[in-house]
Amino acid sequence: AQKVTQAQTEISVVEKEDVTLDCVYETRDTTYYLFWYKQPPSGELVFLIRRNSFDEQNEISGRYSWNFQKSTSSFNFTITASQVVDSAVYFCAPMIYNQGGKLIFGQGTELSVKP
Amino acid sequence: DTEVTQTPKHLVMGMTNKKSLKCEQHMGHRAMYWYKQKAKKPPELMFVYSYEKLSINESVPSRFSPECPNSSLLNLHLHALQPEDSALYLCASSQLDRGNNEKLFFGSGTQLSVL
Repeated sequence: AQKVTQAQTEISVVEKEDVTLDCVYETRDTTYYLFWYKQPPSGELVFLIRRNSFDEQNEISGRYSWNFQKSTSSFNFTITASQVVDSAVYFCAPMIYNQGGKLIFGQGTELSVKP
Repeated sequence: DTEVTQTPKHLVMGMTNKKSLKCEQHMGHRAMYWYKQKAKKPPELMFVYSYEKLSINESVPSRFSPECPNSSLLNLHLHALQPEDSALYLCASSQLDRGNNEKLFFGSGTQLSVL
Protein backbone atom coordinates (compact mmCIF):
# COMPACT_ATOMS: atom_id res chain seq x y z
CA ALA A 1 0.00 0.00 0.00
CA GLN A 2 1.12 3.55 -0.62
CA LYS A 3 0.70 6.54 1.65
CA VAL A 4 1.37 10.18 0.88
CA THR A 5 1.40 12.67 3.75
CA GLN A 6 1.46 16.45 3.64
CA ALA A 7 1.55 17.29 7.32
CA GLN A 8 1.20 21.06 6.84
CA THR A 9 -2.44 21.99 6.28
CA GLU A 10 -1.91 25.75 6.04
CA ILE A 11 1.13 27.99 5.85
CA SER A 12 1.14 31.76 5.95
CA VAL A 13 4.21 33.82 5.04
CA VAL A 14 5.01 37.39 4.19
CA GLU A 15 6.11 38.22 0.67
CA LYS A 16 9.81 37.57 -0.05
CA GLU A 17 10.12 34.92 2.62
CA ASP A 18 11.28 31.45 1.62
CA VAL A 19 8.82 28.63 2.28
CA THR A 20 9.24 24.85 2.24
CA LEU A 21 6.37 22.45 1.74
CA ASP A 22 6.81 18.96 3.12
CA CYS A 23 5.73 15.65 1.62
CA VAL A 24 6.38 12.10 2.73
CA TYR A 25 5.63 9.21 0.42
CA GLU A 26 5.74 5.72 1.84
CA THR A 27 5.71 2.82 -0.57
CA ARG A 28 7.31 -0.54 -1.22
CA ASP A 29 7.57 0.22 -4.92
CA THR A 30 11.09 0.85 -6.15
CA THR A 31 10.14 2.80 -9.26
CA TYR A 32 7.72 5.70 -9.09
CA TYR A 33 7.41 9.36 -9.93
CA LEU A 34 6.66 12.23 -7.60
CA PHE A 35 4.96 15.41 -8.68
CA TRP A 36 4.09 18.77 -7.22
CA TYR A 37 1.01 20.52 -8.53
CA LYS A 38 -0.32 23.97 -7.67
CA GLN A 39 -4.03 24.80 -7.56
CA PRO A 40 -4.78 28.54 -7.48
CA PRO A 41 -8.28 29.79 -6.66
CA SER A 42 -9.22 29.49 -10.36
CA GLY A 43 -9.24 25.71 -9.86
CA GLU A 44 -6.87 24.49 -12.54
CA LEU A 45 -4.11 22.16 -11.39
CA VAL A 46 -0.78 23.43 -12.66
CA PHE A 47 2.20 21.09 -13.04
CA LEU A 48 5.30 22.35 -11.20
CA ILE A 49 7.91 19.61 -10.98
CA ARG A 50 8.41 15.88 -11.42
CA ARG A 51 10.99 13.61 -9.84
CA ASN A 52 11.92 9.99 -10.57
CA SER A 53 12.48 7.65 -7.66
CA PHE A 54 15.85 6.57 -9.00
CA ASP A 55 17.26 10.09 -9.21
CA GLU A 56 17.99 11.81 -5.92
CA GLN A 57 19.76 14.80 -7.41
CA ASN A 58 18.24 17.95 -6.02
CA GLU A 59 17.52 20.73 -8.46
CA ILE A 60 16.65 24.36 -8.71
CA SER A 61 14.44 25.92 -11.35
CA GLY A 62 14.00 29.64 -10.99
CA ARG A 63 12.44 30.29 -7.59
CA TYR A 64 11.56 26.63 -7.13
CA SER A 65 13.79 23.94 -5.70
CA TRP A 66 13.18 20.47 -4.41
CA ASN A 67 14.86 18.02 -2.13
CA PHE A 68 14.18 14.32 -2.62
CA GLN A 69 15.57 11.80 -0.15
CA LYS A 70 14.53 8.24 -0.84
CA SER A 71 15.90 6.99 2.46
CA THR A 72 13.44 9.12 4.41
CA SER A 73 10.66 9.04 1.78
CA SER A 74 10.61 12.84 1.75
CA PHE A 75 10.03 15.05 -1.26
CA ASN A 76 10.10 18.65 -0.13
CA PHE A 77 9.46 21.69 -2.29
CA THR A 78 10.83 25.17 -1.63
CA ILE A 79 9.74 28.51 -3.02
CA THR A 80 12.39 31.19 -2.67
CA ALA A 81 11.39 34.84 -2.28
CA SER A 82 7.69 34.07 -2.25
CA GLN A 83 5.22 36.31 -4.05
CA VAL A 84 1.53 36.98 -3.54
CA VAL A 85 0.80 35.09 -6.78
CA ASP A 86 2.23 31.96 -5.17
CA SER A 87 -0.84 31.81 -2.93
CA ALA A 88 -2.52 28.50 -3.77
CA VAL A 89 -3.01 24.95 -2.59
CA TYR A 90 0.02 22.78 -3.31
CA PHE A 91 -0.37 19.05 -3.80
CA CYS A 92 2.28 16.39 -3.65
CA ALA A 93 1.22 13.55 -5.93
CA PRO A 94 2.98 10.22 -6.48
CA MET A 95 2.37 8.41 -9.73
CA ILE A 96 1.90 4.68 -9.56
CA TYR A 97 3.04 3.76 -13.02
CA ASN A 98 2.09 0.10 -13.08
CA GLN A 99 -1.49 1.30 -12.57
CA GLY A 100 -1.84 3.23 -15.78
CA GLY A 101 -0.32 6.54 -14.84
CA LYS A 102 -2.57 7.00 -11.83
CA LEU A 103 -1.84 10.09 -9.70
CA ILE A 104 -2.58 9.91 -6.00
CA PHE A 105 -2.86 13.31 -4.34
CA GLY A 106 -1.81 14.22 -0.84
CA GLN A 107 -4.18 16.30 1.28
CA GLY A 108 -2.61 19.53 0.08
CA THR A 109 -1.01 22.51 1.78
CA GLU A 110 -2.71 25.86 1.49
CA LEU A 111 -0.09 28.57 1.12
CA SER A 112 -1.01 32.17 1.78
CA VAL A 113 1.55 34.82 0.87
CA LYS A 114 0.72 38.22 2.31
CA PRO A 115 2.07 41.49 0.94
CA ASP B 1 -1.53 23.91 -27.78
CA THR B 2 -1.03 22.64 -24.24
CA GLU B 3 -4.57 23.10 -23.06
CA VAL B 4 -7.24 20.81 -21.76
CA THR B 5 -10.61 22.45 -22.33
CA GLN B 6 -13.61 21.61 -20.21
CA THR B 7 -17.20 22.69 -20.76
CA PRO B 8 -19.31 23.91 -19.16
CA LYS B 9 -17.43 25.75 -16.43
CA HIS B 10 -20.46 25.70 -14.16
CA LEU B 11 -23.47 23.40 -14.13
CA VAL B 12 -26.53 23.29 -11.92
CA MET B 13 -28.81 20.29 -12.27
CA GLY B 14 -31.69 18.63 -10.52
CA MET B 15 -31.59 15.06 -9.32
CA THR B 16 -33.76 13.89 -12.22
CA ASN B 17 -31.81 15.63 -14.95
CA LYS B 18 -29.42 14.13 -17.48
CA LYS B 19 -26.40 16.21 -18.37
CA SER B 20 -22.91 15.73 -19.81
CA LEU B 21 -19.52 17.18 -19.07
CA LYS B 22 -17.12 17.55 -21.96
CA CYS B 23 -13.34 17.57 -22.16
CA GLU B 24 -11.10 18.13 -25.16
CA GLN B 25 -7.35 18.07 -25.77
CA HIS B 26 -5.30 18.45 -28.94
CA MET B 27 -1.89 17.48 -27.64
CA GLY B 28 -2.02 13.97 -29.10
CA HIS B 29 -2.24 12.48 -25.63
CA ARG B 30 -3.37 8.86 -25.42
CA ALA B 31 -4.62 8.82 -21.84
CA MET B 32 -7.48 10.87 -20.42
CA TYR B 33 -8.76 11.06 -16.87
CA TRP B 34 -11.72 12.20 -14.80
CA TYR B 35 -11.09 13.37 -11.26
CA LYS B 36 -13.62 14.56 -8.69
CA GLN B 37 -12.69 17.18 -6.10
CA LYS B 38 -14.81 18.15 -3.12
CA ALA B 39 -14.21 21.50 -1.45
CA LYS B 40 -11.03 21.61 0.64
CA LYS B 41 -10.11 18.06 -0.40
CA PRO B 42 -7.61 16.61 -2.88
CA PRO B 43 -8.74 15.38 -6.29
CA GLU B 44 -9.83 11.75 -6.39
CA LEU B 45 -9.48 9.62 -9.48
CA MET B 46 -12.71 8.37 -11.06
CA PHE B 47 -11.83 6.97 -14.49
CA VAL B 48 -8.84 6.49 -16.80
CA TYR B 49 -9.01 5.92 -20.53
CA SER B 50 -5.90 4.57 -22.25
CA TYR B 51 -5.92 4.46 -26.05
CA GLU B 52 -9.66 5.17 -25.96
CA LYS B 53 -10.40 2.17 -23.77
CA LEU B 54 -11.51 2.35 -20.16
CA SER B 55 -8.56 1.08 -18.15
CA ILE B 56 -9.44 2.18 -14.61
CA ASN B 57 -12.83 2.61 -12.94
CA GLU B 58 -12.38 3.47 -9.28
CA SER B 59 -15.66 1.84 -8.23
CA VAL B 60 -17.62 4.89 -9.35
CA PRO B 61 -21.45 4.66 -9.10
CA SER B 62 -23.22 3.92 -12.37
CA ARG B 63 -24.97 7.30 -12.34
CA PHE B 64 -21.61 8.52 -13.73
CA SER B 65 -20.98 7.14 -17.20
CA PRO B 66 -17.74 8.01 -19.03
CA GLU B 67 -17.33 7.97 -22.78
CA CYS B 68 -14.29 8.45 -24.99
CA PRO B 69 -15.54 8.97 -28.58
CA ASN B 70 -12.02 9.53 -29.91
CA SER B 71 -8.53 10.22 -28.64
CA SER B 72 -9.20 13.96 -28.25
CA LEU B 73 -12.55 13.88 -26.49
CA LEU B 74 -13.77 12.65 -23.15
CA ASN B 75 -17.31 12.93 -21.86
CA LEU B 76 -18.87 12.26 -18.49
CA HIS B 77 -22.60 11.56 -18.66
CA LEU B 78 -24.56 12.32 -15.50
CA HIS B 79 -27.94 10.88 -14.58
CA ALA B 80 -29.93 10.80 -11.35
CA LEU B 81 -27.20 12.45 -9.34
CA GLN B 82 -27.39 13.13 -5.62
CA PRO B 83 -26.65 16.42 -3.83
CA GLU B 84 -23.46 14.85 -2.43
CA ASP B 85 -22.17 14.57 -6.01
CA SER B 86 -21.77 18.33 -6.06
CA ALA B 87 -18.06 18.95 -6.65
CA LEU B 88 -15.43 20.21 -9.07
CA TYR B 89 -14.92 17.69 -11.89
CA LEU B 90 -11.48 17.84 -13.40
CA CYS B 91 -10.38 16.34 -16.69
CA ALA B 92 -6.75 15.58 -17.44
CA SER B 93 -4.67 14.07 -20.20
CA SER B 94 -1.18 12.62 -20.54
CA GLN B 95 1.06 11.10 -23.18
CA LEU B 96 1.14 7.70 -21.44
CA ASP B 97 4.89 7.75 -21.87
CA ARG B 98 7.16 5.72 -19.61
CA GLY B 99 9.92 8.21 -20.27
CA ASN B 100 10.69 11.43 -18.52
CA ASN B 101 7.91 13.42 -20.14
CA GLU B 102 4.94 11.75 -18.48
CA LYS B 103 2.80 14.23 -16.60
CA LEU B 104 -0.86 15.08 -16.40
CA PHE B 105 -2.26 18.27 -17.86
CA PHE B 106 -5.46 19.41 -16.20
CA GLY B 107 -8.40 21.47 -17.35
CA SER B 108 -9.99 24.20 -15.22
CA GLY B 109 -12.82 21.93 -14.23
CA THR B 110 -16.60 21.99 -14.20
CA GLN B 111 -18.15 23.14 -10.93
CA LEU B 112 -21.24 20.98 -10.55
CA SER B 113 -24.10 21.70 -8.17
CA VAL B 114 -26.86 19.11 -7.74
CA LEU B 115 -30.06 20.46 -6.23
